[in-house]
Amino acid sequence: DGGITQSPKYLFRKEGQNVTLSCEQNLNHDAMYWYRQDPGQGLRLIYYSQIVNDFQKGDIAEGYSVSREKKESFPLTVTSAQKNPTAFYLCASSIPQARVGRTEAFFGQGTRLTVV
Amino acid sequence: AQTVTQSQPEMSVQEAETVTLSCTYDTSESDYYLFWYKQPPSRQMILVIRQEAYKQQNATENRFSVNFQKAAKSFSLKISDSQLGDAAMYFCAYRSAWAGTASKLTFGTGTRLQVTL
Repeated sequence: DGGITQSPKYLFRKEGQNVTLSCEQNLNHDAMYWYRQDPGQGLRLIYYSQIVNDFQKGDIAEGYSVSREKKESFPLTVTSAQKNPTAFYLCASSIPQARVGRTEAFFGQGTRLTVV
Repeated sequence: AQTVTQSQPEMSVQEAETVTLSCTYDTSESDYYLFWYKQPPSRQMILVIRQEAYKQQNATENRFSVNFQKAAKSFSLKISDSQLGDAAMYFCAYRSAWAGTASKLTFGTGTRLQVTL
């Protein structure tokens, strides 16, 4: 079955450490996204990528980095520069040409990151 | 930049009754897409319904329907015959139809729906 896989489901990090969240999709989607979810704030966009080897900052990119070396993969690194990294992180993918085919984004099951 | 506003942090409805969740958005674009997503306690995001701005007809999916008012920039979700399984967070989202850097989704802050017996 096609879908988006995020791993791990739960992640604990010590202060000052970098950590990488994995996101893999087999939907053959060109566009991929990373969102952060905090209570009462909805989903906020961290980074997004429309094609391989290209990505753009979202609304809250500071303290995060991404890469897009393969169409299927869009890992997110939470660096030590991120002041408050404890949150729920969601990865999504979609067809970038919005008028062609299905226009919605498909989501993974998320990763809960806790800084200890 | 586009913004999406959900002014109802929480709503409650009795089983089998109808409830309407509100969403307004701000954009200078004429062509875009609007969505309602459901997030149950599992936190999996599930698409409920989508609406293309160029279509005048309101979208309907079984018990779910929208009231799309383009001039007012309003996009409300109506849930009929509410069921216990409808209890979840509901997010309204906007996506530009321009196939460029604006293909990202912008979300509102969500409405938590409780369904009571």
